[in-house]
Amino acid sequence: EVQLVESGGGLVQPGGSLRLSCAASGFTFSDHYMDWVRQAPGKGLEWVGRSRNKANSYTTEYAASVKGRFTISRDDSKDSLYLQMSSLKTEDTAVYYCARGLVFKGFDHWDQGTLVTVSS
Amino acid sequence: DIQLTQSPSFLSASVGDRVTITCRASQDFRSYLAWYQQKPGKAPKLLIYAASTLQSGVPSRFSGSGSGTEFTLTISSLQPEDFATYYCQQLNSYPLTFGGGTKVEIK
Repeated sequence: EVQLVESGGGLVQPGGSLRLSCAASGFTFSDHYMDWVRQAPGKGLEWVGRSRNKANSYTTEYAASVKGRFTISRDDSKDSLYLQMSSLKTEDTAVYYCARGLVFKGFDHWDQGTLVTVSS
Repeated sequence: DIQLTQSPSFLSASVGDRVTITCRASQDFRSYLAWYQQKPGKAPKLLIYAASTLQSGVPSRFSGSGSGTEFTLTISSLQPEDFATYYCQQLNSYPLTFGGGTKVEIK
């Protein structure tokens, strides 16, 4: 059974940093693209970024709203995906989801989400 | 960037109704479009990918169609568990984008 378990959310001050982790199990992690998606309170879904798989050299893509501030990485030896967030803004407040991305076919598994609150 | 506009934003319907949600794209693209269902406090669930392919385990009352710039999600007979918010997503080019969502509520 595919499982994604996220950790690391919480309250952080504007300008601060936070790292989210997503632990995967039930599938061959290194074969898959992985994505981050966020949802501000009461709002819609926003794609944050993607980590491609080993076969595609772990390259990454980012939304313009986070590029240069957020960094996606992964450790296939630990079946884990990470989202390092820095220079956080109040508008980054959201529930953050990690998801398994199927190329051109959508995100077929999601974790439960973790709330990141950026506030002073 | 490809912008996706969903209509309607809000829909009130009864159990048994046929429901259609439209997703319009700002530019023509190959049919790498997905639909998701999200219930309050839960992660989204993939319903359809490649515009019309039903994800494994999704009831057959859900169907998708369309190409180019206009895509639709249809629920043939609305069930109580279908009251939720639905999102389209394009996977054709970066940045990947979602539509604004359509909330389906009980009439």
